[in-house]
Amino acid sequence: EDKVVQSPLSLVVHEGDTVTLNCSYEVTNFRSLLWYKQEKKAPTFLFMLTSSGIEKKSGRLSSILDKKELFSILNITATQTGDSAVYLCAATTSGSRLTFGEGTQLTVNP
Amino acid sequence: DVKVTQSSRYLVKRTGEKVFLECVQDMDHENMFWYRQDPGLGLRLIYFSYDVKMKEKGDIPEGYSVSREKKERFSLILESASTNQTSMYLCASSSRGGDRGTDTQYFGPGTRLTVL
Repeated sequence: EDKVVQSPLSLVVHEGDTVTLNCSYEVTNFRSLLWYKQEKKAPTFLFMLTSSGIEKKSGRLSSILDKKELFSILNITATQTGDSAVYLCAATTSGSRLTFGEGTQLTVNP
Repeated sequence: DVKVTQSSRYLVKRTGEKVFLECVQDMDHENMFWYRQDPGLGLRLIYFSYDVKMKEKGDIPEGYSVSREKKERFSLILESASTNQTSMYLCASSSRGGDRGTDTQYFGPGTRLTVL
């Protein structure tokens, strides 16, 4: 059975802190790993990772994939209150299906 | 910009009613998906479709059916709504698979369904 596990499930930090969110996966025919941000609405796409060791970066957010150890991390530096959201990790298997983790609820306090 | 729209943001129905949730995408995507999202369980795939008139069961299809008569539209049907189907329902679409660059799914705003 395909499985994606995220940790921690929730995290409370202060503005300016750096956070690391973790995602491990066990899926058949793995193809890619995706990160989404979900505020009080639909998930919005952040990154897609397909190759090990290559960091994807967008502003204060960055992510990297380790295909040997089957995990990915999402880093957010200099956090802001607007970063408060649920961060979802998903693995794509054959047939374009996504298996999602439970998500990490990040709360950034001023 | 990809746009995925869903027919209602909030819906309240009674047990036993037939419920239709509609999803429309404007990017000519081949793949469309229906998920439900519940606290502690994350997003779970109900049904998906690779093409018009094609459908595949996801992980939790029981109690649901789908219809895809046109490429841009994917409907989720609850034949006889029950209280355990109270949830947030999210629709998504993506380009045809087989290419890593097309794995990204784009989501609609969601429908929060309450079954009384």
